[in-house]
Amino acid sequence: SQTIHQWPATLVQPVGSPLSLECTVEGTSNPNLYWYRQAAGRGLQLLFYSVGIGQISSEVPQNLSASRPQDRQFILSSKKLLLSDSGFYLCAWSVRGLNNSPLHFGNGTRLTVT
Amino acid sequence: GESVGLHLPTLSVQEGDNSIINCAYSNSASDYFIWYKQESGKGPQFIIDIRSNMDKRQGQRVTVLLNKTVKHLSLQIAATQPGDSAVYFCAENRDTGRRALTFGSGTRLQVQP
Repeated sequence: SQTIHQWPATLVQPVGSPLSLECTVEGTSNPNLYWYRQAAGRGLQLLFYSVGIGQISSEVPQNLSASRPQDRQFILSSKKLLLSDSGFYLCAWSVRGLNNSPLHFGNGTRLTVT
Repeated sequence: GESVGLHLPTLSVQEGDNSIINCAYSNSASDYFIWYKQESGKGPQFIIDIRSNMDKRQGQRVTVLLNKTVKHLSLQIAATQPGDSAVYFCAENRDTGRRALTFGSGTRLQVQP
């Protein structure tokens, strides 16, 4: 069966520090990969999605970047964190090439920027 | 802009009752809809989906209804249990070229024992 792993589960970082969140998927090949952010008590905002290695689409201009160095690895990064980067970051995957397929989420990373 | 939204931010029901969570969408081009359940501190969990060529789909204790005329989506949970307490999100795939979902803001379901 397919599984998705995100780490760390929680993270507290000072303003101006770098960030690297990692997400890996097991049990599937060539997935679409996604990063979403969820503010407290709110819905999910799409940040980045990827349909293949090295292929990244950005949804909103921001202080973050994403990379996909391997087929099942998706990394969210920042060179200098802002207070507004605090939130719950969720990685997800879906089956590539299959129209109308659900996204499957990891358990997220709660980031607090102090 | 067009978006997915929810009528009720919080829904409180008695254990054993049926629950109905509603969602309105405004993009008539959306062709795929999903309901997710999110428990505290966890990622959203897939519950059930429906394509726009259907108006009803049933799962285990859950039913999704789609009314394209009024652009309305609902999730019905039968015999609600304490374990159903969570935040529920509807999501739509309104841009198939993007292959990503747009989420509503969520409804919190509270099940009273």
